[in-house]
Amino acid sequence: LAKTTQPISMDSYEGQEVNITCSHNNIATNDYITWYQQFPSQGPRFIIQGYKTKVTNEVASLFIPADRKSSTLSLPRVSLSDTAVYYCLVGDSGGSYIPTFGRGTSLIVHP
Amino acid sequence: GAGVSQSPSNKVTEKGKDVELRCDPISGHTALYWYRQSLGQGLEFLIYFQGNSAPDKSGLPSDRFSAERTGGSVSTLTIQRTQQEDSAVYLCASSLVAGGRETQYFGPGTRLLVL
Repeated sequence: LAKTTQPISMDSYEGQEVNITCSHNNIATNDYITWYQQFPSQGPRFIIQGYKTKVTNEVASLFIPADRKSSTLSLPRVSLSDTAVYYCLVGDSGGSYIPTFGRGTSLIVHP
Repeated sequence: GAGVSQSPSNKVTEKGKDVELRCDPISGHTALYWYRQSLGQGLEFLIYFQGNSAPDKSGLPSDRFSAERTGGSVSTLTIQRTQQEDSAVYLCASSLVAGGRETQYFGPGTRLLVL
């Protein structure tokens, strides 16, 4: 079971790029890395997923180094509405899957 | 299409009473997950179903917690003899199949307050 470690909190300002790094030292060969975003009083929602190298979609980029022991979620030009908790989730498609979200990273974007 | 729905949205109960929380997953999703989120905390995994079976129940906090899923759709999480420490938001999610590659779609949660 891959355990993840993220910073508890981060602060940024509108228009800046934010990078949140997640450590997952014991990631397994078949594990994928998924990031979720959670606003207050809502359930988490999917942001992006990757296996290796770089993945980009309309809201974020995900950078995964060759050893896959960490991953970095990059949010370009954040706005106040990006204030949320971000979770890194690691898991595979085989066997008994126990998703471990942890405490996530609380991002506060200031004007 | 409709997302994951949960009921009730809020529940206030007295210590010692039993409560039932319901989750309606997205149609066609075979996997269903239950989580608990205490105030200011992360998501604590409780149990998941693939179809009607729960491969791992080790996340349930105590034997007062149980969950079932019948017909491969709706699931019920039951907490017997509620305690004040059970107060939390209970979140349900579903995905096409169980696994780390599958996107989980979350419901709005049930906010449980035990007095």
